[in-house]
Amino acid sequence: GDSVTQMEGPVTLSEEAFLTINCTYTATGYPSLFWYVQYPGEGLQLLLKATKADDKGSNKGFEATYRKETTSFHLEKGSVQVSDSAVYFCALSDLDSNYQLIWGAGTKLIIKP
Amino acid sequence: GAGVSQSPSNKVTEKGKDVELRCDPISGHTALYWYRQSLGQGLEFLIYFQGNSAPDKSGLPSDRFSAERTGGSVSTLTIQRTQQEDSAVYLCASSPLGAGLSYEQYFGPGTRLTVT
Repeated sequence: GDSVTQMEGPVTLSEEAFLTINCTYTATGYPSLFWYVQYPGEGLQLLLKATKADDKGSNKGFEATYRKETTSFHLEKGSVQVSDSAVYFCALSDLDSNYQLIWGAGTKLIIKP
Repeated sequence: GAGVSQSPSNKVTEKGKDVELRCDPISGHTALYWYRQSLGQGLEFLIYFQGNSAPDKSGLPSDRFSAERTGGSVSTLTIQRTQQEDSAVYLCASSPLGAGLSYEQYFGPGTRLTVT
């Protein structure tokens, strides 16, 4: 079945550092890909999405490009802030599974001032 | 507009008791999903409702778990004879889901269930 693998955390960076969180997927169909974020004490929020190959999702300075050839959807940000500290989840959904979200394990990001 | 709401926000129950968790989706959203977030298992799909179609129950971990959705809106997840391994945060999400509509899922704040 479909699956998502993302890099284990925690990832600890200094403020203004460059961020990459790797995410790869396995899917039989043509999934849509998502990054969700969970800030401390809050619920899950959609950060960005991409629905087809070569699409780039972006939001709040974060970007991720749907790479079908490498089955990847890596999350990047050029200059992180302390307020970006959160847990980031990569996920996919497709029609074959009623668009249920299939999740990566989550990556905890810690940004130090 | 109002987002997805869930109640209660926290529930502590004794092993063996039944619990009901409620989800109010965003008005007009036809699709509703339940997920579970636990330390050992991460995020797991439980059940999916879409309009008047039969629900997809493929993610329910045992027959102690059941859910219903009344009138295509409010949903209740019921766990019978709770066990300690049921302790988790139960998340509800809704989606417009339909031809020409977005299939993004919008999450509620969750219900934290603790079984003692």
